Amino acid sequence: AQSVTQLDSHVSVSEGTPVLLRCNYSSSYSPSLFWYVQHPNKGLQLLLKYTSAATLVKGINGFEAEFKKSETSFHLTKPSAHMSDAAEYFCVVSDRGNKLVFGAGTILRVKS
Amino acid sequence: NAGVTQTPKFQVLKTGQSMTLQCAQDMNHEYMSWYRQDPGMGLRLIHYSVGAGITDQGEVPNGYNVSRSTTEDFPLRLLSAAPSQTSVYFCASSQGGTSYNEQFFGPGTRLTVL
Repeated sequence: AQSVTQLDSHVSVSEGTPVLLRCNYSSSYSPSLFWYVQHPNKGLQLLLKYTSAATLVKGINGFEAEFKKSETSFHLTKPSAHMSDAAEYFCVVSDRGNKLVFGAGTILRVKS
Repeated sequence: NAGVTQTPKFQVLKTGQSMTLQCAQDMNHEYMSWYRQDPGMGLRLIHYSVGAGITDQGEVPNGYNVSRSTTEDFPLRLLSAAPSQTSVYFCASSQGGTSYNEQFFGPGTRLTVL
């Protein structure tokens, strides 16, 4: 069975400082991994995905994530936070049949 | 393209009532699914479909029914609503066949069961 652990339920950063949202996964085979973002009272939007090509994945809005098989991690980073980045972020693993398994989410707060 | 649409946006039910949440997509996607979102639990898969006429259970199927008579539509039925079904429900769709296809989500239906 696959699972996802997001290591922080809340992260608070100041505008202009780096963002790090941590994710560990468990999978019995080579997984597909995603990060989705959800702004308040909105649906989910795909930030980026890993599909066994490059281990460093670049996404929208300056976000990127690195797949580390040895650490079973897929942490999301951004060099400089913007106020508009305040949202909830979900790390997600997909099995062979398109079924998604979500982490519990990390709420990112950006202080001015 | 409208993408994935869901109706209604909000709904309040009394315990024991039944209702259908509607989901439609205009991208000719084979795969469709329903998730519920509860605080601190992420999204959990209720039911999914890999094509018209084919449905299967996800992680939390009890109390819900689905059917897939067309490629476009994938309604979710609550048979007898319970307060534990108070949640936000999201429908999603993707092209089938592989695990790395992006899933597109609808805007959600916020359901309250009293």
